[in-house]
Amino acid sequence: EDQVTQSPEALRLQEGESSSLNCSYTVSGLRGLFWYRQDPGKGPEFLFTLYSAGEEKEKERLKATLTKKESFLHITAPKPEDSATYLCAVKVLGTNAGGTSYGKLTFGQGTILTVHP
Amino acid sequence: ETGVTQTPRHLVMGMTNKKSLKCEQHLGHNAMYWYKQSAKKPLELMFVYNFKEQTENNSVPSRFSPECPNSSHLFLHLHTLQPEDSALYLCASSPWQGETQYFGPGTRLLVL
Repeated sequence: EDQVTQSPEALRLQEGESSSLNCSYTVSGLRGLFWYRQDPGKGPEFLFTLYSAGEEKEKERLKATLTKKESFLHITAPKPEDSATYLCAVKVLGTNAGGTSYGKLTFGQGTILTVHP
Repeated sequence: ETGVTQTPRHLVMGMTNKKSLKCEQHLGHNAMYWYKQSAKKPLELMFVYNFKEQTENNSVPSRFSPECPNSSHLFLHLHTLQPEDSALYLCASSPWQGETQYFGPGTRLLVL
């Protein structure tokens, strides 16, 4: 069974204190790994997709990296507005009711990040 | 309107009520999804529609009934719900099934 585990569950940082969030996965045949940001009372907002080990993507203070077993979301010099829940999801091949193969997402439970001024 | 919109944003209903959630996407996508998000649990996929055809029903109780009249609109009809169905219900769309999903703001449902 495909599994996605995010750690830590919650992370409190001071403004400017860099850190990393982890997403480890056990899947058969990774087709992509996604990072989303979710603010309270809102839907997840797409951040990055990574497809192969060694790939990195950056957006402002965020950098996502991927290995064969896990992904890291590095946050450099965070600001209070970076406070949110960060979700990762892995994409594997599934088969729908009609027998067609398609990409299927499995989400982790998220990491709640709080950045204090 | 842009992106994915959902109405209503908040809903309180009794266990004997019937209500519907609406989702509309303005992205020209062909796949739409319903997810349930409960506190401290991963997102749970409920239903998937690809080109208006239901392609996934993730063992969802029959008190939840989806409807997809076209690629831009998705409904979730609710009847005789239970208190444990209280959650944030999220709609998402993607260019086609399996591609990057874009989410709406969700409907916060409380069942009394």
